[in-house]
Amino acid sequence: AQKVTQAQTEISVVEKEDVTLDCVYETRDTTYYLFWYKQPPSGELVFLIRRNSFDEQNEISGRYSWNFQKSTSSFNFTITASQVVDSAVYFCALSHTTGNQFYFGTGTSLTVIP
Amino acid sequence: GAVVSQHPSWVICKSGTSVKIECRSLDFQATTMFWYRQFPKQSLMLMATSNEGSKATYEQGVEKDKFLINHASLTLSTLTVTSAHPEDSSFYICSARSPFLLAGDGKNIQYFGAGTRLSVL
Repeated sequence: AQKVTQAQTEISVVEKEDVTLDCVYETRDTTYYLFWYKQPPSGELVFLIRRNSFDEQNEISGRYSWNFQKSTSSFNFTITASQVVDSAVYFCALSHTTGNQFYFGTGTSLTVIP
Repeated sequence: GAVVSQHPSWVICKSGTSVKIECRSLDFQATTMFWYRQFPKQSLMLMATSNEGSKATYEQGVEKDKFLINHASLTLSTLTVTSAHPEDSSFYICSARSPFLLAGDGKNIQYFGAGTRLSVL
């Protein structure tokens, strides 16, 4: 069974604080992809990152960083020095490497307070 | 990056009418597109997988006759909500799967349209 859990429903931080969004997944596949998407109030989902299951290197892109820990089945997302524009709902997702199906978490709503 | 355009972004219709939503991949060809439904403050629910030149694959519980999907070309998929009722009011969002060659190993990345807010009165 495939499942993605984002335990944090809503988070509020003050601007310039760091914030980590948690994502825990379940899968029986040995190879798979993990994703993070951002959904701002306007509604569109913006692709942020895709990670192959065999690549456990952490990744940093500007103020964003991702920590993939296969041992704990987690793929956490950290925003450093948060900004108001980071306010959005963030979705973590899992997919097979061979199929189309995306399994989305329930999302974490992040509010950055100026 | 890949761009997916969805139109209209917002539609209000009377109960009993049909509404067509278009999803276009603007700078790549997408043999596979997906249609999702999202209720307020909830996650995305996959409704169907749209395959170019063949019938769509619907998820369990999704009415095929209610939600008609047509994928007539490599850049366009349409979702028609037939005889819409207030309970069909929702946010509908499409995505297109990136072709393998689009960005090196860009396999399996789904690029999303901006969504369509449907309100049925």
